[in-house]
Amino acid sequence: SQTIHQWPATLVQPVGSPLSLECTVEGTSNPNLYWYRQAAGRGLQLLFYSIGIDQISSEVPQNLSASRPQDRQFILSSKKLLLSDSGFYLCAWSVAGSGGNEQFFGPGTRLTVL
Amino acid sequence: SQQGEEDPQALSIQEGENATMNCSYKTSINNLQWYRQNSGRGLVHLILIRSNEREKHSGRLRVTLDTSKKSSSLLITASRAADTASYFCATGGGGGNKLTFGTGTQLKVEL
Repeated sequence: SQTIHQWPATLVQPVGSPLSLECTVEGTSNPNLYWYRQAAGRGLQLLFYSIGIDQISSEVPQNLSASRPQDRQFILSSKKLLLSDSGFYLCAWSVAGSGGNEQFFGPGTRLTVL
Repeated sequence: SQQGEEDPQALSIQEGENATMNCSYKTSINNLQWYRQNSGRGLVHLILIRSNEREKHSGRLRVTLDTSKKSSSLLITASRAADTASYFCATGGGGGNKLTFGTGTQLKVEL
């Protein structure tokens, strides 16, 4: 069966520090991968999605970047965190295809920037 | 911009009652999905309805889709305290297999 892992679960970082959040998927090959951010009490904002290694699309220009060094690994990074980067970050995967397949979500990372 | 908008934003009911949540969207879709999120957790997929379907059932869940009105509803019958969560609709049809999520309905089921 497929599983998706995210770490760390919680993170408190000072403004201006770097960020690296990791997401890995097991039990599937060539998945589509997604990074979302969720502000408190709000819906999900798609940040990045990837249909393959080194094929990443950015949805919202901002202080973050994403990389996919391996087929089932997706990394969210920042060189210098801003206060506005605080939030709940969710990684998800879906079977490759078009039209909007079911997405499977990781447990999330709660990021607080102080 | 958000594709889906859920209504109501918050709903509080007694255990055993039915809960109905609505979702409206703006553009054409391939499918519409409903997800559930317990506080501080990831989302869990509940049900998917395709654009050529009008109604779908899964256990205590019933989803309807009206493409002419660009709206969907999620009905949870005989609610339980464990159904307390946020519920999101998401529309599929964009390139790259993307989904666009709504703002969610917070459901509280009280004993």
